[in-house]
Amino acid sequence: QQQVKQSPQSLIVQKGGISIINCAYENTAFDYFPWYQQFPGKGPALLIAIRPDVSEKKEGRFTISFNKSAKQFSLHIMDSQPGDSATYFCAATKESQGNLIFGKGTKLSVKP
Amino acid sequence: KAGVTQTPRYLIKTRGQQVTLSCSPISGHRSVSWYQQTPGQGLQFLFEYFSETQRNKGNFPGRFSGRQFSNSRSEMNVSTLELGDSALYLCASSLEGTEQFFGPGTRLTVL
Repeated sequence: QQQVKQSPQSLIVQKGGISIINCAYENTAFDYFPWYQQFPGKGPALLIAIRPDVSEKKEGRFTISFNKSAKQFSLHIMDSQPGDSATYFCAATKESQGNLIFGKGTKLSVKP
Repeated sequence: KAGVTQTPRYLIKTRGQQVTLSCSPISGHRSVSWYQQTPGQGLQFLFEYFSETQRNKGNFPGRFSGRQFSNSRSEMNVSTLELGDSALYLCASSLEGTEQFFGPGTRLTVL
């Protein structure tokens, strides 16, 4: 009930293309869903987050789509760039709990 | 505003030893969470401290412990180290526990 399942494990996209990463959660008590970007040798960096009262949130080239009934959310990276090549993690938690439950990560490679 | 700092950045220990890692959160943040990151298990929650009290705990053995000081700085301790404890240990800082900002991590190698 605490799992967050993330797919795909790895993704190769051409420069300028759209990268899509999907996550599914089980615990309906979760109400905060962030995405993190991690480069080798660095800590995860908060990219964008969504709460269940909205179905979509956009920040620059990054968009989260949220489907409460299906218990799924996804990250879309528009106009993907080689600099976006990193590992992306989705996570879920209940607000103010302090314990993020992470997906296993997606290694994105954007080819020039 | 300075980010989250963790010390040391790298550590090599041998089995059976103990280790203490330190985390300084973003100024004004009262919540510090700790995570273990390994290639096999990914990012796993260890525990969270808020205003010097452990508020949440993950599924790790009692060898893993932590504390938080009045200035919100936090330490985690691992006693009787095992080979499987080799990992990147990350701390995350938050105002109240939700929006978390991670430090660069401490890379622990147990020989």
